[in-house]
Amino acid sequence: GAGVSQSPSNKVTEKGKDVELRCDPISGHTALYWYRQRLGQGLEFLIYFQGNSAPDKSGLPSDRFSAERTGESVSTLTIQRTQQEDSAVYLCASSSSFETQYFGPGTRLLVL
Amino acid sequence: GNSVTQMEGPVTLSEEAFLTINCTYTATGYPSLFWYVQYPGEGLQLLLKATKADDKGSNKGFEATYRKETTSFHLEKGSVQVSDSAVYFCALRGGNTGGFKTIFGAGTRLFVKA
Repeated sequence: GAGVSQSPSNKVTEKGKDVELRCDPISGHTALYWYRQRLGQGLEFLIYFQGNSAPDKSGLPSDRFSAERTGESVSTLTIQRTQQEDSAVYLCASSSSFETQYFGPGTRLLVL
Repeated sequence: GNSVTQMEGPVTLSEEAFLTINCTYTATGYPSLFWYVQYPGEGLQLLLKATKADDKGSNKGFEATYRKETTSFHLEKGSVQVSDSAVYFCALRGGNTGGFKTIFGAGTRLFVKA
């Protein structure tokens, strides 16, 4: 596609349920990032994938968070046993170079 | 570790006013510096960047100069328009310890009144 796409655009879930968020990067982009943006705050790095290298998971806030990426395509971010503090916008970005990241529109997650 | 500090908002200006949004960073080595913009209802997009000291990034009338001596990357525009109303994020990547992570500031919301 023309840009990074994410689905769903909005997700409302109950505390304790698992959620899966999807990111489709720009075709050919080897790098993929996940960020979390809480209301009124900046972006918090979660995880980074680069090609077939081991991902940089250093930003994942707890073991309830995990992410996968198959090759240089789609990535899914999974949050298990969601908590109210997980409510945020989850942003995905992809990049073909070391510098410029292209962001998706985000998934707005609300945990009740 | 690396960090970015930018001025708190919101910033409210009249059209054609001069804009400065301050950004300072903490990092060792020579990170790359960025300004991203998030227009209402849209995703983040790169506004400008600078990859080495004294570089000036510019786009859409916005400018920012990479100042190693003051560890700053302030965003400026000579004459703002209503369409510039958005949230602006200063960001840093690389340096001696940053690797591929991009560290973002908290964002500064700009309102421009007609």
